[in-house]
Amino acid sequence: EADIYQTPRYLVIGTGKKITLECSQTMGHDKMYWYQQDPGMELHLIHYSYGVNSTEKGDLSSESTVSRIRTEHFPLTLESARPSHTSQYLCASSKQGPGELFFGEGSRLTVL
Amino acid sequence: GNSVTQMEGPVTLSEEAFLTINCTYTATGYPSLFWYVQYPGEGLQLLLKATKADDKGSNKGFEATYRKETTSFHLEKGSVQVSDSAVYFCALVYNNNDMRFGAGTRLTVKP
Repeated sequence: EADIYQTPRYLVIGTGKKITLECSQTMGHDKMYWYQQDPGMELHLIHYSYGVNSTEKGDLSSESTVSRIRTEHFPLTLESARPSHTSQYLCASSKQGPGELFFGEGSRLTVL
Repeated sequence: GNSVTQMEGPVTLSEEAFLTINCTYTATGYPSLFWYVQYPGEGLQLLLKATKADDKGSNKGFEATYRKETTSFHLEKGSVQVSDSAVYFCALVYNNNDMRFGAGTRLTVKP
C-alpha cells in the first residue's frame, strides 16, 4: 500500500479564495509530482520536484505554485481560485523518477 | 511528441468475459510502457509494466505485451471479475524523464 496522503479530499470554495492542497509521503522519496485530472482526459503534469528546494513547472501551464521545504511534504497553493481551477489534483511520488509512481487519493476542487 | 492513445470507454462486460483494452503509443525511440488502475475512490496504482520490446508485463491476471512493430501495449485479462471495475490508464516514459498518460478507459463488470 502506498503511503502518500492528500488533504482535503474534497473542497468547495468561492472565487478569489486562497487554497492549499496538502500532500505528504512517508516513503522517503525524493521525487514528487502534481497532476491535474479532468474526467475523460489524460493526466497532465503541472509541477514536479526532484528534492528539497527543487521545484519545476510541468507540461500544463498552471497558476498554482508549489514548495518543497521538507522531503515528505509537497503542498500546492492557489492564491486566488477561479472556476477554471475546478478539477481533480493528484499528488504522486517515486523513488527513481517517472514511471513507477505512487499516487495519493486525489483532491477534488470545485470553485464556485 | 510522445503520446498515448487509448481505447475509448466506457467498456461494460459480464463477469468471466475476456477483456482487451487497446493502447497505442507514439514516441521517438523506445519508451517504457505502463498500465495503471484507479479503483473507485482511490488513487492510481501501478498494475504492470514493460521496459523493452517483446516484454510481457503481468499482474493480478492482467497481461500486456510490448509490441514495437505495432507500437502497442494492449491490456488483456482472460476472465474479469466485478472487482476489476475501475479506470485503466496506459502510460509511457521516454528517456526516464517524459511521462505521458492516456485518457483512461472505464471498465464496468456486471455480475
